[in-house]
Amino acid sequence: NAGVTQTPKFQVLKTGQSMTLQCAQDMNHEYMSWYRQDPGMGLRLIHYSVGAGITDQGEVPNGYNVSRSTTEDFPLRLLSAAPSQTSVYFCASSYVSGGASADTQYFGPGTRLTVL
Amino acid sequence: SQQGEEDPQALSIQEGENATMNCSYKTSINNLQWYRQNSGRGLVHLILIRSNEREKHSGRLRVTLDTSKKSSSLLITASRAADTASYFCATLAGGGNKLTFGTGTQLKVEL
Repeated sequence: NAGVTQTPKFQVLKTGQSMTLQCAQDMNHEYMSWYRQDPGMGLRLIHYSVGAGITDQGEVPNGYNVSRSTTEDFPLRLLSAAPSQTSVYFCASSYVSGGASADTQYFGPGTRLTVL
Repeated sequence: SQQGEEDPQALSIQEGENATMNCSYKTSINNLQWYRQNSGRGLVHLILIRSNEREKHSGRLRVTLDTSKKSSSLLITASRAADTASYFCATLAGGGNKLTFGTGTQLKVEL
């Protein structure tokens, strides 16, 4: 199993550009999520999904869109990049078990995004 | 807002010593999870403890949960230089789908 994969590893954008961060998992996990990590802030939840066709907002959703057309893929779209979106982005996935979502999370290696 | 807050923010110990990190949270939870992050890498799951559990062990790791105090602790025994990393707690609020991370404890284990 490849686990959780993210592409690209690094990206530089200019203000106003749009792009899609890719995330895929091959573990048949129902739950997938996107976080951003900024220095001294820990990880903050952007969007999450509990299954194909179902998405919801996290703590910091503004400026980002997601969709979940398949179990495997959960892309994150930046609509119009801003310098405040400079961050490291992590995708994660997990099973849903024990009546609760967000069980043990498996993280991808991250995408380091810089917006100029 | 951050649900979990780790304490201390930074910890420096000698190899062989024990390291204890604490996590406090604000609302009732379904489970609490601990993760490790090496510099420049993704997070790796260490241990999950459910709200009806009080203590769990995994190798050199011991996690306790006190739901009355809304706090958890992570103990790493006989630390090694390879344990140098940032450690995060994450909480799943009761009835919710959002996993919320704290700001982390930076552990440095010196030879």
